[in-house]
Amino acid sequence: SQTIHQWPATLVQPVGSPLSLECTVEGTSNPNLYWYRQAAGRGLQLLFYSVGIGQISSEVPQNLSASRPQDRQFILSSKKLLLSDSGFYLCAWSGRVDEKLFFGSGTQLSVL
Amino acid sequence: AQKVTQAQTEISVVEKEDVTLDCVYETRDTTYYLFWYKQPPSGELVFLIRRNSFDEQNEISGRYSWNFQKSTSSFNFTITASQVVDSAVYFCALSEVNNFNKFYFGSGTKLNVKP
Repeated sequence: SQTIHQWPATLVQPVGSPLSLECTVEGTSNPNLYWYRQAAGRGLQLLFYSVGIGQISSEVPQNLSASRPQDRQFILSSKKLLLSDSGFYLCAWSGRVDEKLFFGSGTQLSVL
Repeated sequence: AQKVTQAQTEISVVEKEDVTLDCVYETRDTTYYLFWYKQPPSGELVFLIRRNSFDEQNEISGRYSWNFQKSTSSFNFTITASQVVDSAVYFCALSEVNNFNKFYFGSGTKLNVKP
């Protein structure tokens, strides 16, 4: 069966520090991968999605970047965090076109 | 423009009441998928239902039911005889086949069910 791992669960970082959140998927190949952010009390904002290795599309210009070095690995990064980067980050994957989205357990990022 | 609109930010009901969560979507694709997800306080999103654009049949699953109407671009979700465990944030989402299968979520509706 397929599983998605996302870590860390919580992270507290100072303003200006770098960020690296990792997500891996098991039990499937060539998944579509997604990063979402949920600000406190807000909805889900699509940040990045990837349909294959090295293929990244950005939905919202911002202080973050994403990379997909391997088929089932998706990384969210920042060189210098801003206060506004605080939020709940969710990694997700989907298979075929009509598949549903499967979510990781999320990372609560607090930038202080 | 917002592709998925959930106008109800927060709803409070008393246990055993019925409640309907509204979802209105916008797309130019003829083939698309609609979803509902539940986000309990733990944070992880739980899949509830998927509906494709060619299937307008309403669906019932226990106390949950969904009303899909293409004419009004709506995909509403009703919980019958609500329970405290139904308290969560509920998200409606749209996936467009011709748009790289990106999933767009509404802003969510927080449902509070009081005992």
